[in-house]
Amino acid sequence: KNEVEQSPQNLTAQEGEFITINCSYSVGISALHWLQQHPGGGIVSLFMLSSGKKKHGRLIATINIQEKHSSQHITASHPRDSAVYICAAFSNTGNQFYFGTGTSLTVIP
Amino acid sequence: NAGVMQNPRHLVRRRGQEARLRCSPMKGHSHVYWYRQLPEEGLKFMVYLQKENIIDESGMPKERFSAEFPKEGPSILRIQQVVRGDSAAYFCASSPPDRTNTGELFFGEGSRLTVL
Repeated sequence: KNEVEQSPQNLTAQEGEFITINCSYSVGISALHWLQQHPGGGIVSLFMLSSGKKKHGRLIATINIQEKHSSQHITASHPRDSAVYICAAFSNTGNQFYFGTGTSLTVIP
Repeated sequence: NAGVMQNPRHLVRRRGQEARLRCSPMKGHSHVYWYRQLPEEGLKFMVYLQKENIIDESGMPKERFSAEFPKEGPSILRIQQVVRGDSAAYFCASSPPDRTNTGELFFGEGSRLTVL
């Protein structure tokens, strides 16, 4: 069983829809990260969370430490949001990341 | 301030050859991480280095793979006698010394290795 589980694995949405990607983790963490990867491209850090909620433009990320669960939301989705979104738990022992396998999002115009 | 620079972006090798991947961290960053992303799989930790020190290499295959981060110059991930299963994207990330407890990382664009 992976230390970080994401769902869904694949997601297709119409432009303008509200999108939710979920992440559950089993390790103790000092921070939870959400990353974005475009096809054939590099990786960009979107959020780093240790509690509560953060918002950057149309992107929102929340974390529930007790339940070991985080969600990332995209409001008013746009085709340029199409990418793979990766949840990564930064362990509070050993300076190590555990990565989810990613959610591949396609937003259709 | 340039980001994390990786080169080459794409590398093609035949089985048995050596692959060298380079990573220059962001200015002021003294911590470097290497990750591997196999096709259709998630990122996997390989090695964590500081200048002249390997801190954690628990994710490195025991044979053929090595990494270094010298006092001067980029970090290098070296794969000897490559096999087809080594074909993957290799990502480097760097971190400033005061952010290692939260994992604030800056990723490079990746080096995509194809073994023929």
